[in-house]
Amino acid sequence: KAGVTQTPRYLIKTRGQQVTLSCSPISGHRSVSWYQQTPGQGLQFLFEYFSETQRNKGNFPGRFSGRQFSNSRSEMNVSTLELGDSALYLCASSLNLGNQPQHFGDGTRLSIL
Amino acid sequence: GESVGLHLPTLSVQEGDNSIINCAYSNSASDYFIWYKQESGKGPQFIIDIRSNMDKRQGQRVTVLLNKTVKHLSLQIAATQPGDSAVYFCAVEEGAQKLVFGQGTRLTINP
Repeated sequence: KAGVTQTPRYLIKTRGQQVTLSCSPISGHRSVSWYQQTPGQGLQFLFEYFSETQRNKGNFPGRFSGRQFSNSRSEMNVSTLELGDSALYLCASSLNLGNQPQHFGDGTRLSIL
Repeated sequence: GESVGLHLPTLSVQEGDNSIINCAYSNSASDYFIWYKQESGKGPQFIIDIRSNMDKRQGQRVTVLLNKTVKHLSLQIAATQPGDSAVYFCAVEEGAQKLVFGQGTRLTINP
């Protein structure tokens, strides 16, 4: 069974631009979560989607948004990019909600110049 | 909210020895715990999980121990191999699907 697929793997943007990252969950998985990983802050939860609805949100500004489609695929968008947004963005999927292991993709490495 | 800490940022062991990686959490109501392994250039890989109604769970060469009294979690890796070199994270579920991660322990295997 294919794992979680994230595209693109690498992205370079400049300050003020916006970016959209894509995530395809494991087939049959209905929950998709997004995390930001940086050397200083570690892995931090951004938001989670289930059945096209955002169920949970972390402490990130409104510039960070996401959505989930009817086939469970998800996208996240970051607007007005700042240097501090440089990070590895990870997507994870799980079968359902609650007490379910989340399986991660290999992430999108976003660099802001 | 939940906070998760690891006791050691780095751990170095001899090949063939057993490794123990520790983790502490803050919320006594936490119910679900996961260990992940992250290799360079890759996303975290699920190793093993445990629910609060258990105090021990075993997988292939790995054992997770949960001590709810002191809010402590550990991962034991038996007969450590070079392929075990990675950063190991413990994570605690805080609310549906929100994982709170520790800072990670980098495990280095010496030949």
